[in-house]
Amino acid sequence: DTAVSQTPKYLVTQMGNDKSIKCEQNLGHDTMYWYKQDSKKFLKIMFSYNNKELIINETVPNRFSPKSPDKAHLNLHINSLELGDSAVYFCASSPLIPGQGLNTEAFFGQGTRLTVV
Amino acid sequence: AQSVTQLGSHVSVSEGALVLLRCNYSSSVPPYLFWYVQYPNQGLQLLLKYTSAATLVKGINGFEAEFKKSETSFHLTKPSAHMSDAAEYFCAVLSGGYQKVTFGTGTKLQVIP
Repeated sequence: DTAVSQTPKYLVTQMGNDKSIKCEQNLGHDTMYWYKQDSKKFLKIMFSYNNKELIINETVPNRFSPKSPDKAHLNLHINSLELGDSAVYFCASSPLIPGQGLNTEAFFGQGTRLTVV
Repeated sequence: AQSVTQLGSHVSVSEGALVLLRCNYSSSVPPYLFWYVQYPNQGLQLLLKYTSAATLVKGINGFEAEFKKSETSFHLTKPSAHMSDAAEYFCAVLSGGYQKVTFGTGTKLQVIP
């Protein structure tokens, strides 16, 4: 199936640990994102990559480090996890409008529910 | 900067009644606007999008939205609510020089049998 897939779906870990979330899209899109959804359902963009290049970094703590080995993958590594990092993290991808270099709608993965205890 | 405001964090309608979810945008350039739906414990699914073509946009599941420049609005409607429409709905705008999708705060739709 063509989709944005992220693993794991659930992640429970202790404070201070380091964890990674993986994301892959087989839609052929050039742009990938990480969003954070808090307990009030508010969605905030964290990072955007375009063809492996970091485009947007929305004042996210340095403990969060995205890595894009190729344009189909965008992984998120989190160091020294804190209680406040508990949230649902969504990976998304977006195609570019041909000839304009502009993105259009984002296609989302199913989310990773991170719980830090 | 482009942004969207959703009026009403919770909306309740009876099954079969009209659904109206409100969204206003602020943009200094022609906006690209979206409505997404999120069912419990799932990701976001695109309902419909406005990209400066027709002002009345039809989406999936019987939803539609009308772009009104004079009112800076992009409200989502459905003539007859179904129980399966109960979900969180997000209005969104392409922002940051058309580099990212920025979301409103969401509206939770409850459908009462």
